[in-house]
Amino acid sequence: EPEVTQTPSHQVTQMGQEVILRCVPISNHLYFYWYRQILGQKVEFLVSFYNNEISEKSEIFDDQFSVERPDGSNFTLKIRSTKLEDSAMYFCASSLATGGLETQYFGPGTRLLVL
Amino acid sequence: AQTVTQSQPEMSVQEAETVTLSCTYDTSESDYYLFWYKQPPSRQMILVIRQEAYKQQNATENRFSVNFQKAAKSFSLKISDSQLGDAAMYFCAYRMDSSYKLIFGSGTRLLVRP
Repeated sequence: EPEVTQTPSHQVTQMGQEVILRCVPISNHLYFYWYRQILGQKVEFLVSFYNNEISEKSEIFDDQFSVERPDGSNFTLKIRSTKLEDSAMYFCASSLATGGLETQYFGPGTRLLVL
Repeated sequence: AQTVTQSQPEMSVQEAETVTLSCTYDTSESDYYLFWYKQPPSRQMILVIRQEAYKQQNATENRFSVNFQKAAKSFSLKISDSQLGDAAMYFCAYRMDSSYKLIFGSGTRLLVRP
C-alpha cells in the first residue's frame, strides 16, 4: 500500500540555522499538509497546499516557515531561522481530494531538535 | 474556536475484551467530520474510522465502532475483541466542512494486556 515518506527521521540543528524537511506524498494525491507536535502537546496544523499554493495556514505558520513542491514528487517545509521552540515532531500528510470524509494520510514524522 | 478533548491519557484492556475511548469536542458548526487515528509505536498515524456529523448512524469498521452523540458533542471509539496489535496511541480529530485542517485531541495511549 502506498505510504507517505519523510526524510530525515531525525535532525539536530543549531538555533538560527535553516532546515528543510522533506516529504514524498502518495503519488496521485493532490493536497499536502504539514502538522507538528511539540513534546507533550497536541498535534497542530501548520499549513495545507494545493496547486502550488498555500490553501490554508495556521497562526503558527509565520514568515519563518515556507513550503514548496520543487518537483512532481517532493513536498518540503523550510524553517529559515530555527528557534528553540521549533523543536518538535513534524508530520507531513497528503490526500487525494479534500472535503467530506477525505482521509489525510500521514508520514512517520521528522523529529527536529534545535539546540 | 474548535477544540477536541480526550480525557483519558491512558487506558488498559485485557486481550479479547472491549474498551471504549472517549472524545468530546466543542464547535458551533453544523457540518463537520470526526476521525479516529491510530499511531502504533514509531509508526505513522493511520485512519481507524470516520463519521459525518449529519449522519445519525454510527460508523463501524470491523471491530471498531463509534458512539456519536451530536447533541452531547461526544465521539467515543469502541474496540471489541481487543488484540495485541491494537496497542497504540489513539487520536480523535475534527475537521469542519470549510477547512482543510484536522484539529486533534491530546491522544489516549491504549495498552493491551495478554
